[in-house]
Amino acid sequence: DSGVTQTPKHLITATGQRVTLRCSPRSGDLSVYWYQQSLDQGLQFLIQYYNGEERAKGNILERFSAQQFPDLHSELNLSSLELGDSALYFCASSGNTNTEAFFGQGTRLTVV
Amino acid sequence: GENVEQHPSTLSVQEGDSAVIKCTYSDSASNYFPWYKQELGKRPQLIIDIRSNVGEKKDQRIAVTLNKTAKHFSLHITETQPEDSAVYFCAATTNTDKLIFGTGTRLQVFP
Repeated sequence: DSGVTQTPKHLITATGQRVTLRCSPRSGDLSVYWYQQSLDQGLQFLIQYYNGEERAKGNILERFSAQQFPDLHSELNLSSLELGDSALYFCASSGNTNTEAFFGQGTRLTVV
Repeated sequence: GENVEQHPSTLSVQEGDSAVIKCTYSDSASNYFPWYKQELGKRPQLIIDIRSNVGEKKDQRIAVTLNKTAKHFSLHITETQPEDSAVYFCAATTNTDKLIFGTGTRLQVFP
């Protein structure tokens, strides 16, 4: 157990819908990263937060948004879902940028 | 742009042989280089990391080397075992604090 908790583990939804993925980082970690992993693909960096503030942004679609709350948990919002958004979404947390990032078990999103 | 290239995409070795995976990064300001192992259906887990002030680091059968001038870093696994079979990802931090991953190497170790 990495100490990073993601909910839900699985999510099936229809095209055009909106979903929210939740991540609770390890106790004490201030950084939260979000990644998208499509089937048999690599880890695409979406966005990073540090202590409530957006720190870095990757190739995140405009339909996607995220935030980190005062208690440091983070949510990734995906809207106007398309079939191609089906993927495993990982959250990771670390104490700082140049330290080990611990991954949650991921949320598998299936858009039908 | 900021990217990390990783080769090979697949690697098959006989048990007991060595395996080498190579990565190249583009951002000369990168200073942290972790390696992650992802088993089928599981989360990526850190196996070793190296910082830019160190040229080599070893942990039992695993070693990582870093060439800052060439912007290359490599993972070396010796005496491979079937349980080493997994997808391995290299990564690098950028000067904009992103943690960018390579495309992954699927390692298969045959008994």
